[in-house]
Amino acid sequence: NAGVTQTPKFQVLKTGQSMTLQCAQDMNHEYMSWYRQDPGMGLRLIHYSVGAGITDQGEVPNGYNVSRSTTEDFPLRLLSAAPSQTSVYFCASRILRNEKLFFGSGTQLSVL
Amino acid sequence: KQEVTQIPAALSVPEGENLVLNCSFTDSAIYNLQWFRQDPGKGLTSLLLIQSSQREQTSGRLNASLDKSSGRSTLYIAASQPGDSATYLCAVMSGSARQLTFGSGTQLTVLP
Repeated sequence: NAGVTQTPKFQVLKTGQSMTLQCAQDMNHEYMSWYRQDPGMGLRLIHYSVGAGITDQGEVPNGYNVSRSTTEDFPLRLLSAAPSQTSVYFCASRILRNEKLFFGSGTQLSVL
Repeated sequence: KQEVTQIPAALSVPEGENLVLNCSFTDSAIYNLQWFRQDPGKGLTSLLLIQSSQREQTSGRLNASLDKSSGRSTLYIAASQPGDSATYLCAVMSGSARQLTFGSGTQLTVLP
């Protein structure tokens, strides 16, 4: 039981490049979400999903896309990276009826 | 819009001391409040979850209290140890989408 797995751990992009951050969980959690963590600002919700085929926007969705084709995977796509997207990204999941959230170890992204 | 504030931003104490971390939130209509621990370069680990109908939760040397009407929570750590050094974040679950809003955290250093 690996929990929530995020890849890659580190990534450097140039402005305008695209990439996908991967998130997978093996706990059969219905709910999955992406957060970004910036210094002094806590974690902010980007997108979330309550099940396969269902996604919704969080607080800061602009510049990011998500899809949920399976229960296990919830990738986050940056279509055209910008320096403002330099941050640490966390994926988290939980059972819908249980509010305890499980986090991945994060992806540190730098956009030059 | 829910806002969560944690004071102080950083705290340094000698080993063995009892300490209190503070969290305040602006909208008292919450489902629960959660305390997390974050070690450098790692994800968040759930410590305690207090439902809106509860006043406190305890786990080992940790005790979290909730005063929903005043919008405050405290995390009490007894007999602190160097291994307690980490960043502690609180988060409240609120709104129709039941999303978590995070504070920016308190960085705790326990000196041996």
